Amino acid sequence: EVELVESGGGLVQPGGSLRLSCAASGFSLGSHWMTWVRQAPGKGLEWVANIKQDGSAKYYVDAVKGRFTISRDNAKDSLYLQMSSLRAEDTAVYYCARWGLITGTTYWIDYWGQGTLVTVSS
Amino acid sequence: QTVVTQEPPFSVSPGGTVTLTCGLSSGSLSTDHPPSWYRQTPGQVPRALVSTANFRFSGVPDRFSGSILGNKAALTITGAQADDEADYYCVVYLGSGIWMFGGGTKLTVL
Repeated sequence: EVELVESGGGLVQPGGSLRLSCAASGFSLGSHWMTWVRQAPGKGLEWVANIKQDGSAKYYVDAVKGRFTISRDNAKDSLYLQMSSLRAEDTAVYYCARWGLITGTTYWIDYWGQGTLVTVSS
Repeated sequence: QTVVTQEPPFSVSPGGTVTLTCGLSSGSLSTDHPPSWYRQTPGQVPRALVSTANFRFSGVPDRFSGSILGNKAALTITGAQADDEADYYCVVYLGSGIWMFGGGTKLTVL
């Protein structure tokens, strides 16, 4: 059974840093693009970042570029999101999720973790 | 700044059919990486529904279907049921490795 479990969320002051982790099980992490998606309280979903299977390509939404870094350790079945220079608007539930390949170049986000809440406040 | 557009809150009668759409404020939807649809109920994790390449996620009833209508992605729900009440989101590929979710459509069945 595919499972994604996030950890590392919490309360952090503006300007601070936090590292989120995602433990993957039930599948080969190294076979999938992975992603972080966030959801601010009462708001919609926002794609944050993607990372290729071997970590050689990473992409970010403009709002976090230069502040957040996505990484992975396939040997440890783990995905990470290093967040720095945090702002109040980064407050959200952060979901770790897997991109599944349907066919050809058609992908969807087929499995989601339960999410971890990050609150940026003084 | 490109935005992914979805309908404002929508309602459908029980047993009725509803089509939700998702488009780009500028440009065309990617044909290489078709959009996909997700549903989320309050307090729950989002779940995959369909791809507009007309694949349904495991366990999703065939009442849900995805397609492309003109330059928009469409999610059609036939025979709407009370437990279809949820927020529905699409995710669209913008190019250069960048994806974007639509703002979501809150669907009410009444």
